[in-house]
Amino acid sequence: SQQGEEDPQALSIQEGENATMNCSYKTSINNLQWYRQNSGRGLVHLILIRSNEREKHSGRLRVTLDTSKKSSSLLITASRAADTASYFCATGQTSYDKVIFGPGTSLSVIP
Amino acid sequence: DAGVIQSPRHEVTEMGQEVTLRCKPISGHNSLFWYRQTMMRGLELLIYFNNNVPIDDSGMPEDRFSAKMPNASFSTLKIQPSEPRDSAVYFCASSFTGTATNEKLFFGSGTQLSVL
Repeated sequence: SQQGEEDPQALSIQEGENATMNCSYKTSINNLQWYRQNSGRGLVHLILIRSNEREKHSGRLRVTLDTSKKSSSLLITASRAADTASYFCATGQTSYDKVIFGPGTSLSVIP
Repeated sequence: DAGVIQSPRHEVTEMGQEVTLRCKPISGHNSLFWYRQTMMRGLELLIYFNNNVPIDDSGMPEDRFSAKMPNASFSTLKIQPSEPRDSAVYFCASSFTGTATNEKLFFGSGTQLSVL
């Protein structure tokens, strides 16, 4: 079964607005990662946050992690049409050296 | 670096035929992962290797699926015989795992498989 579950499944916003996506997971993790997938392409790693970290920034991306609630959020500020893609959270398991992906959030940024 | 290289990019075959997907990981990476992506089931981990050794193949759906990694620079995923329900995009990904685990993955462009 999948470890992470993203919310919402789909999100449509106007260019310039902020986009927030949430991820919940079930078991203990080493880290949580966010990936982006453009239509017809492979996944691209965006950011990794370790289990002992609470917040991380990379450019217009801000990721938070709450291990007590087993949840994470990805915030994209000042969105652009080029941010249109699917975004996946993925968890690195403590029990196994593997990375499990959630079903993803489809983001549409309208120019 | 050329990144993770997968071939073929597209594969169309008839039910019952053997299909072989190929992957060349990034040089120096010691972990390799095969994922399958469909609309219904999302991204599923099929199998992963560490230092060319299969570590967990619990995601391989059936005996019709097999994967090998004969050396650090090459892996194959074989389906024999193929069935229409195997139609999906198959991704290969690699990572470097040293003292830390679950490091970020680098994905190939995928193989779009259509079984008629």
